[in-house]
Amino acid sequence: AQTVTQSQPEMSVQEAETVTLSCTYDTSESDYYLFWYKQPPSRQMILVIRQEAYKQQNATENRFSVNFQKAAKSFSLKISDSQLGDAAMYFCGNAGNMLTFGGGTRLMVKP
Amino acid sequence: DGGITQSPKYLFRKEGQNVTLSCEQNLNHDAMYWYRQDPGQGLRLIYYSQIVNDFQKGDIAEGYSVSREKKESFPLTVTSAQKNPTAFYLCASSNRRGGLGSPLHFGNGTRLTVT
Repeated sequence: AQTVTQSQPEMSVQEAETVTLSCTYDTSESDYYLFWYKQPPSRQMILVIRQEAYKQQNATENRFSVNFQKAAKSFSLKISDSQLGDAAMYFCGNAGNMLTFGGGTRLMVKP
Repeated sequence: DGGITQSPKYLFRKEGQNVTLSCEQNLNHDAMYWYRQDPGQGLRLIYYSQIVNDFQKGDIAEGYSVSREKKESFPLTVTSAQKNPTAFYLCASSNRRGGLGSPLHFGNGTRLTVT
């Protein structure tokens, strides 16, 4: 069975600052991927970044990067130079045979 | 443009009635999924299908049923046996031939309210 835990229900960050969202997971599968999805107020789910578990190098997409610690089963998301448009719910996901999501972190960006 | 269409956006039903939520995709994806989202909570998997005429239960399948007669369509029926059906329902699809890393494409969701 897969589980994903996001321990921060809410986070806030000042515009232009950096924020890190935490995610831990558990899986018995040897081959899997990890994802971060963003859900703005429109409720449309948007893929932010993904990480292949067998790759040691941390994935990066513009202002978004991850810190993947496989042994610790940790997959945090760092958002640099935060923008007002980054305000949303962020969901961490683990894809083995199916994609399991954490409970989400609501990110607020203060101008 | 390719995408996933969920209809309707808002749905209201009386308690005790079955209701079917529509999900159609023209992305030629093999796999389709139904998730339920409650206020302030994450997404929980209801059912998924990796190929036509085959589907599997997710974490919260009780009170729900699905069919996958066509590749493009994966309707979800919320039955009267579902004790708390009021929720936001999201349909998604992925190209499983791309492997486990294939990202999910989501529809815009259906907000179901049962009174």
